[in-house]
Amino acid sequence: SYELTQPLSVSVALGQTARITCGGNNIGSKNVHWYQQKPGQAPVLVIYRDSNRPSGIPERFSGSNSGNTATLTISRAQAGDEADYYCQVWDSSLYVFGTGTKVTVL
Amino acid sequence: QVQLQESGPGLVKPSGTLSLTCAVSGGSISSSNWWSWVRQPPGKGLEWIGEIYHSGSTNYNPSLKSRVTISVDKSKNQFSLKLSSVTAADTAVYYCARVQGCSGGSCYSRAYWYFDLWGRGTLVTVSS
Repeated sequence: SYELTQPLSVSVALGQTARITCGGNNIGSKNVHWYQQKPGQAPVLVIYRDSNRPSGIPERFSGSNSGNTATLTISRAQAGDEADYYCQVWDSSLYVFGTGTKVTVL
Repeated sequence: QVQLQESGPGLVKPSGTLSLTCAVSGGSISSSNWWSWVRQPPGKGLEWIGEIYHSGSTNYNPSLKSRVTISVDKSKNQFSLKLSSVTAADTAVYYCARVQGCSGGSCYSRAYWYFDLWGRGTLVTVSS
């Protein structure tokens, strides 16, 4: 089965840039979606189809996807960006989620 | 706007059947969307369980397929999950979610689909 690997944690200073990676075999050929999940809350879509932002998601959130790595970038990180982030793709007739990354804003 | 709300027992005995319902409000379950169930064990990641279309067509995660049944009730604008022969490993927060395959007036193949709306989730504990 297809696996998506994310770093367990990423730390970023307030106002700086955080990059969260999602590794998978030739993931650049797939459509990658990203979700933000704050403690005790449901996931929220922040990026769809590699680099598209849903309405209401700040421009500070951006995405890219190439080769074996997709990346979610959070610019000018704020305290409210502290959350778990999951990538997701469709492969072999099922939706696959990444292992998740905890983002801490220092 | 469309909202999803899960409901069902919070405690299920081992070997029993977990049953949950997701009520869709503010929109029709007979739209062009598929509707999914996703679960998250405490402190762990997300796992897709399965999905249903208003016609009754379903797709299931192969790892759970033998124990899962998802159904739809268009008259009540809701869909349901049944998971049989549960064990402690099935203890999780269960979310219902809307699958989005269309945007900007265009619809795409399944490889492009994602979950654009989620319910708040409900914790189901499997314990005697």
